[in-house]
Amino acid sequence: DAGVIQSPRHEVTEMGQEVTLRCKPISGHNSLFWYRQTMMRGLELLIYFNNNVPIDDSGMPEDRFSAKMPNASFSTLKIQPSEPRDSAVYFCASSLGAGNQPQHFGDGTRLSIL
Amino acid sequence: AQSVTQLGSHVSVSEGALVLLRCNYSSSVPPYLFWYVQYPNQGLQLLLKYTSAATLVKGINGFEAEFKKSETSFHLTKPSAHMSDAAEYFCAVSELGVNQFYFGTGTSLTVIP
Repeated sequence: DAGVIQSPRHEVTEMGQEVTLRCKPISGHNSLFWYRQTMMRGLELLIYFNNNVPIDDSGMPEDRFSAKMPNASFSTLKIQPSEPRDSAVYFCASSLGAGNQPQHFGDGTRLSIL
Repeated sequence: AQSVTQLGSHVSVSEGALVLLRCNYSSSVPPYLFWYVQYPNQGLQLLLKYTSAATLVKGINGFEAEFKKSETSFHLTKPSAHMSDAAEYFCAVSELGVNQFYFGTGTSLTVIP
């Protein structure tokens, strides 16, 4: 079975550019999560969706960050404009949406903002 | 509010020795507990989960964890470390009806040949 698919795996871009990260959750999962991982701050939850609806976006660091889930099989995380401090690994995860069900993670997008 | 504390950000063991990674949780309701492993340049992979069935949970790669309510702990163990166990390990807590997981800060395991 296909796991969570993220693209691109690596992204290098210059400060000020728009960055779009993509995620395809596991088919049948109704919850989707975006995380950011850095050495300094560890793993941070940015936002999560349930049945395509954003439930909690309190982890989104600034208005420069936005996330959408137009349908059950696709989500995007956008940064506009990007800054060097946004450099991190961004993970998408999906689950069956109950607390007793594990989250399944993609392999992440390693983002470098120059 | 739920939270997880992982004692020891770095643990080193010799190959063949016991692995013990500590996790303590805080939860006002019966928790669900998970251990994940992260290898370099990869996402988090589920090792095992506790969801109120047996308190001793067996996972993949020979790992197991025991839920101890009285100690609010869910420590991860493996009898004999292998070089391939070198990775970052994360403990997480959630509860029924709440989608959000609360992750610990992780423990980096080094296995010495």
